[in-house]
Amino acid sequence: GQNIDQPTEMTATEGAIVQINCTYQTSGFNGLFWYQQHAGEAPTFLSYNVLDGLEEKGRFSSFLSRSKGYSYLLLKELQMKDSASYLCAVRDSNYQLIWGAGTKLIIKP
Amino acid sequence: IAGITQAPTSQILAAGRRMTLRCTQDMRHNAMYWYRQDLGLGLRLIHYSNTAGTTGKGEVPDGYSVSRANTDDFPLTLASAVPSQTSVYFCASSEGTSGAYEQFFGPGTRLTVL
Repeated sequence: GQNIDQPTEMTATEGAIVQINCTYQTSGFNGLFWYQQHAGEAPTFLSYNVLDGLEEKGRFSSFLSRSKGYSYLLLKELQMKDSASYLCAVRDSNYQLIWGAGTKLIIKP
Repeated sequence: IAGITQAPTSQILAAGRRMTLRCTQDMRHNAMYWYRQDLGLGLRLIHYSNTAGTTGKGEVPDGYSVSRANTDDFPLTLASAVPSQTSVYFCASSEGTSGAYEQFFGPGTRLTVL
């Protein structure tokens, strides 16, 4: 079967750095996406990785290792507005997205 | 304003009733999707359409049907609602289905079936 694993919840301090991990086992791999979802709102796109390595976009970076079936999302200089759920999704061999259950990130002042 | 709209925002429905959730996008995206999101679970794909005139089944299609008569609209119909269909439903669209094309999501419809 297909499986995406992420921690259920993480807590971090305002101004700090946090790393959210995602491991996956899917039928095929055609890219990995990270989305942010604030409570009661729709998911919004953060990043896309298809090759191994780090993609940096402002305070957010995403890393991929295809051989390990592993990705992480790194958030720097945390702000209170970063409190949200972070969703990892893998595009499989059918070009459909398989989604993890999401990691709820709580930021404390 | 470009984007995806969904209607209704929320709905309480008696079991056995028929219901259509509406989704419209004005970005001229080829692909559209319907997901349900339940607490503790990831988004699950119900149905999708890679282009106008075509549809396909996702992970959890039973009890749902879709149509894609034109590029902009992708309605989802529950023929006879059951309590297990209580969920938040998101419509999404993307310009393409491969490469870096991300999916854009509508605001969601919160459906309660009693």
